Parts: sequence; structure tokens; C-alpha cells
Amino acid sequence: GNSVTQMEGPVTLSEEAFLTINCTYTATGYPSLFWYVQYPGEGLQLLLKATKADDKGSNKGFEATYRKETTSFHLEKGSVQVSDSAVYFCALNSGYSTLTFGKGTMLLVSP
Amino acid sequence: EPEVTQTPSHQVTQMGQEVILRCVPISNHLYFYWYRQILGQKVEFLVSFYNNEISEKSEIFDDQFSVERPDGSNFTLKIRSTKLEDSAMYFCASRGDRGTYNEQFFGPGTRLTVL
Repeated sequence: GNSVTQMEGPVTLSEEAFLTINCTYTATGYPSLFWYVQYPGEGLQLLLKATKADDKGSNKGFEATYRKETTSFHLEKGSVQVSDSAVYFCALNSGYSTLTFGKGTMLLVSP
Repeated sequence: EPEVTQTPSHQVTQMGQEVILRCVPISNHLYFYWYRQILGQKVEFLVSFYNNEISEKSEIFDDQFSVERPDGSNFTLKIRSTKLEDSAMYFCASRGDRGTYNEQFFGPGTRLTVL
């Protein structure tokens, strides 16, 4: 079956630091990969996505590249801001199936 | 911008009571989902709903759970007799037609606390 593994949090960084949140997956077929973000008190918002190998998803300065050879989709940002503090979820689906999520990684950015 | 809404934001109930969690999906969407997240654990799929019937459900979605789209706008999740382990955040999501990209839009969640 499908599964997603994310690095444990919380990740604590100072403003303007470089961010990496690791995500690896197992899936049948050729899944689409997603990063969702959950700000305090809010729902899950799609941050970025990639639908095939070597695709790079990007949004709001965040990037992630679909690496089929390493079954990974690591999230990166060159310079984090306090407003990026949130919980980040890596997820996948195969075709139009339901989403399979990782456990989420909390990011805390201090000024 | 259209969004998925959920009510209530927090529900407290006694064990054994019935609860109904309500969702209003985005108006032109056709596929509807419930997920839950027990505190500190991953977001888990419960059920998907299309064309007025369940299209897929997980092992979690047993006979105590049911879903309904009673009036063409609301999408509800009913738990018939709540257990302590049903305490979780419940997320509703909706998706447009298969012709569009398979993005699911999530609501803010309902926190269910079973005492």
C-alpha cells in the first residue's frame, strides 16, 4: 500500500535560515506528490505539487522536486520567515484516489 | 475565493452519544471526503463520496460512521455512538470534476472531544 514518511519535528530555525523537511514515500504506480501546510487554527492548504518524476513544484519560495530514483519529495526554502511557522504535511495519491499523508512536521521560526 | 467550511469548530460530547459533523463543500465540486487526525498522529482517510454514494472507505469507517449529503450543499459525518478513541480533528475536503487537476480543498476542521 501507499505510505509517506516525514522527518520528526519540531524543526526550530532562526529567520532567514535554510529549511529542509525530508519526505520519502512508497506507492504503487506513479503517484502525484503534494505538500500541504496547516497554519495555527486553520485547515490544510495545498502548498505545492508535482505530478511526475523530475517535476519541481514551487510556491511562496518553497520548492520540492519529485525524485523517483530515491522516492523522495523533500521540501526546501532558502530563507524562512516567522510567518512560515506551521505544520507541513507531505502527501501522495495514485490517480484519483484518496490522499495518503505523512505525520506532519512542525516548523517554528524565531525572529 | 471559494472555500470549504465546517461546523462546529469544536464539539464536546459524552461517550456513547451521537454526533453530526457538518461541512459545506465548494459549490461546484463533485467529490467529497472526510479525514481525521488523532492528536500527534497522521491525517487518515475515512471515506469518499461521489454521486450520492460512498465510493471508497477505510477500515476506520465502520458501522458506527455514516455520511450523507442531505440537501445538495451540506455534507455530514455522523458517528452513531462515540467512543473515547474517536476524539480527533475531523477534516472535510472536496474536489472538482475529474477533468480538472486532482486537488482536494480542505476545511478548517472540527475538533471532536469525547469524554
